[in-house]
Amino acid sequence: ETGVTQTPRHLVMGMTNKKSLKCEQHLGHNAMYWYKQSAKKPLELMFVYNFKEQTENNSVPSRFSPECPNSSHLFLHLHTLQPEDSALYLCASSQDWGQNYGYTFGSGTRLTVV
Amino acid sequence: GENVEQHPSTLSVQEGDSAVIKCTYSDSASNYFPWYKQELGKRPQLIIDIRSNVGEKKDQRIAVTLNKTAKHFSLHITETQPEDSAVYFCAGPGGAQKLVFGQGTRLTINP
Repeated sequence: ETGVTQTPRHLVMGMTNKKSLKCEQHLGHNAMYWYKQSAKKPLELMFVYNFKEQTENNSVPSRFSPECPNSSHLFLHLHTLQPEDSALYLCASSQDWGQNYGYTFGSGTRLTVV
Repeated sequence: GENVEQHPSTLSVQEGDSAVIKCTYSDSASNYFPWYKQELGKRPQLIIDIRSNVGEKKDQRIAVTLNKTAKHFSLHITETQPEDSAVYFCAGPGGAQKLVFGQGTRLTINP
């Protein structure tokens, strides 16, 4: 593992379910990100957290709810999703927030909404 | 918002030949331009990056060039090998202190 761990790796959920994705980084980074990767829009930024404070919400629907209890952990709570939300959800971290740092990605959660 | 355009979307080259992928950006304020490689079923991984104080950076068979005047940067892979087959993403300034990713280039190396 590269230092960013995501669970679960695969998730199938119905449109009325509630589930959560988890991300943990062991790199001592201060910024964490959620990205959605689909065939139509590769690597689409969803949320950014810096020192556990949300700095970016990229017009994401409210059925996606992020939570960052500390700089090492990031969650994405899901409820009443739509089939078009099926995608690979990637977590990433960087040393600090901003344009000048490389990202380390987790392996992602492959989400299927049925 | 600020944009990063990546071309081509697909690229097929013979093993041993070179591959070049280009990205253009619109926000002139940034100083950092990374490239990521994503193999099938795996996570994107940083393979090389360049900062604006240099025009070119090399790491074995890969290199990145930056032209800040023209606002474009390119990934060059020489002596391509089958394991170079992957999707490559550039990233650049997206305004408001964030990186945005290009649309990706699917590179196929033909034996």
